[in-house]
Amino acid sequence: GDSVTQMEGPVTLSEEAFLTINCTYTATGYPSLFWYVQYPGEGLQLLLKATKADDKGSNKGFEATYRKETTSFHLEKGSVQVSDSAVYFCALSGAGGSYIPTFGRGTSLIVHP
Amino acid sequence: KAGVTQTPRYLIKTRGQQVTLSCSPISGHRSVSWYQQTPGQGLQFLFEYFSETQRNKGNFPGRFSGRQFSNSRSEMNVSTLELGDSALYLCASSLDISGANVLTFGAGSRLTVL
Repeated sequence: GDSVTQMEGPVTLSEEAFLTINCTYTATGYPSLFWYVQYPGEGLQLLLKATKADDKGSNKGFEATYRKETTSFHLEKGSVQVSDSAVYFCALSGAGGSYIPTFGRGTSLIVHP
Repeated sequence: KAGVTQTPRYLIKTRGQQVTLSCSPISGHRSVSWYQQTPGQGLQFLFEYFSETQRNKGNFPGRFSGRQFSNSRSEMNVSTLELGDSALYLCASSLDISGANVLTFGAGSRLTVL
């Protein structure tokens, strides 16, 4: 079945450091790919998405490129802030005709001042 | 516009009891999904409703059930609670049902079973 694998956390960084959170997927067909973020005490919210190969999703300084050849959708940000501390989830949907998203386990990011 | 509203936010139950959680989706959204979030298992899909019909169901026992009303509001029920049912239950709504579907989540209902 479809699956999403994220790097284990927590990822701990100092403010203004460069962030990469790796995400790879296994799916049939051509899924849409998403990054969701969950701040403490809240539900998940969409951060960015990409619907086809080579698309780049971007929002709030975060970027991720849909790489079909490596089945990856790594999340990057050039300079993190303390307010970026949260749990980040990679997800896919639309593979094999199913629109129900498959989520990764989540990666916790902690940014220190 | 108002987001996805879940009630109650926190609740404590004892084993064997039952619980009902409520979710009000964003106005105009007809699809409502429910997820269980735990530290050990991450996000697990429970079920999804669209226009009052359950269209998809995850791999959970029959103690977990749900329904959707004509105004798209949804409820989920867990009967005969077990300790392992302690979790954050998240509701998400979406405008349509497609592969590029974006979910809007509520803040969740945190259930503790003693």
